[in-house]
Amino acid sequence: KNEVEQSPQNLTAQEGEFITINCSYSVGISALHWLQQHPGGGIVSLFMLSSGKKKHGRLIATINIQEKHSSLHITASHPRDSAVYICAVRSRSSGSARQLTFGSGTQLTVLP
Amino acid sequence: EAQVTQNPRYLITVTGKKLTVTCSQNMNHEYMSWYRQDPGLGLRQIYYSMNVEVTDKGDVPEGYKVSRKEKRNFPLILESPSPNQTSLYFCASSTGVGNTIYFGEGSWLTVV
Repeated sequence: KNEVEQSPQNLTAQEGEFITINCSYSVGISALHWLQQHPGGGIVSLFMLSSGKKKHGRLIATINIQEKHSSLHITASHPRDSAVYICAVRSRSSGSARQLTFGSGTQLTVLP
Repeated sequence: EAQVTQNPRYLITVTGKKLTVTCSQNMNHEYMSWYRQDPGLGLRQIYYSMNVEVTDKGDVPEGYKVSRKEKRNFPLILESPSPNQTSLYFCASSTGVGNTIYFGEGSWLTVV
């Protein structure tokens, strides 16, 4: 069983729509990262969360530690938001606290 | 400009021919790591380093070596590459284990 599960795997939206991508994890964590990977492969870090909520422009990330769940929201989506969004967690356990475990990613396509 | 630089970006090589993928960062980060990304398997950690001369295995270290002789550099060495090491490789760095991660642009490696 994957420690990090993302949903949906694929998402197609119309420009302007509100988008939600979900990430659930099964271990206690010290931090959760949301990453964006564009066609061509480059990866950019969007957020690092350990609690609560963060906002950057049209992107909002939330985390519920008790429920082991995080969401990434995109408001007023735009075709340039089309990318793969990846959730990654850092375990709290001493043996693996220095490693990241990644979700399989959500392919988002925003149509004009 | 904050950067993680990988070289080469694209390489086709033959089985058994030793190769090194270099990684350099200009942000004085302590933490550096290598990942590989494969279709259906997502990103997986190969090795990481907490600081100079401190390295440890990630989830998939077999067939790889690393060294951290200087803070800015973290090369990935494939002593005897095999076709199952054909993958997209990313180097990343951060100021600490739980902080924002900066990724290199990726290195596409094909072993024939």
